[in-house]
Amino acid sequence: QSVLTQPPSASGTPGQRVTISCSGSSSNIGSTTVNWYQQLPGTAPKLLIFSNLQRPSGVPDRFSGSKSGTSASLVISGLQPEDEADYYCAAWDDSLNGRVFGGGTKLTVL
Amino acid sequence: EVQLVESGGGMVQPGRSLRLSCAASGFSFEDYAMHWVRQAPGKGLEWVSGINWNSGSIGYADSVTGRFTISRDNAKNSLFLQMNSLRIDDTALYYCVKDIHVEIRGDMGYYGMDVWGQGTTVTVFS
Repeated sequence: QSVLTQPPSASGTPGQRVTISCSGSSSNIGSTTVNWYQQLPGTAPKLLIFSNLQRPSGVPDRFSGSKSGTSASLVISGLQPEDEADYYCAAWDDSLNGRVFGGGTKLTVL
Repeated sequence: EVQLVESGGGMVQPGRSLRLSCAASGFSFEDYAMHWVRQAPGKGLEWVSGINWNSGSIGYADSVTGRFTISRDNAKNSLFLQMNSLRIDDTALYYCVKDIHVEIRGDMGYYGMDVWGQGTTVTVFS
């Protein structure tokens, strides 16, 4: 059971807008920022979003993040076939004194 | 080129030990916190342990506390994970990961794992 809760799956057609949610608590998302990671099949994860909404260099602006209270969201606009991947949210947890991940959301591009 | 290369994985029986190593290159290793993150076959990501830039702040997941020890050698640009009393549920691909901050908790919410190795596989079987 993951500390952060994500839907196990999501889907969309090319060009669509997809939102992936991440729910936590006051000891993690509620008290710090959220990261998002993309893991393409057979590869290592990649940092997609940090500090709730910042994109590292090279990440397309189709990817955006937001946070409200104890929940966060990743939005992918203009969905592309190459976006098919697993997406994970993550945060620091003050109660556990460590990083925690969501269970991951498998995004399928139909 | 920024790179992390893990080694030391293998197949061991429950109760035995393994020591993972990670060689870093292409960046100033001593300026960043480092982590180990694992992924069991077909499962999600699990943070295992993190260490700040000068080894003054270390954290472990509850699942490995008391069994695993993280360390680093800044002079040799290397990160280590000593894994003792291995269990079957420790079976996973272990990633060495660089943080964007010097501290494992970050500061003012500024943190994130921006460079990942390709991983080394640990299999614990009876």
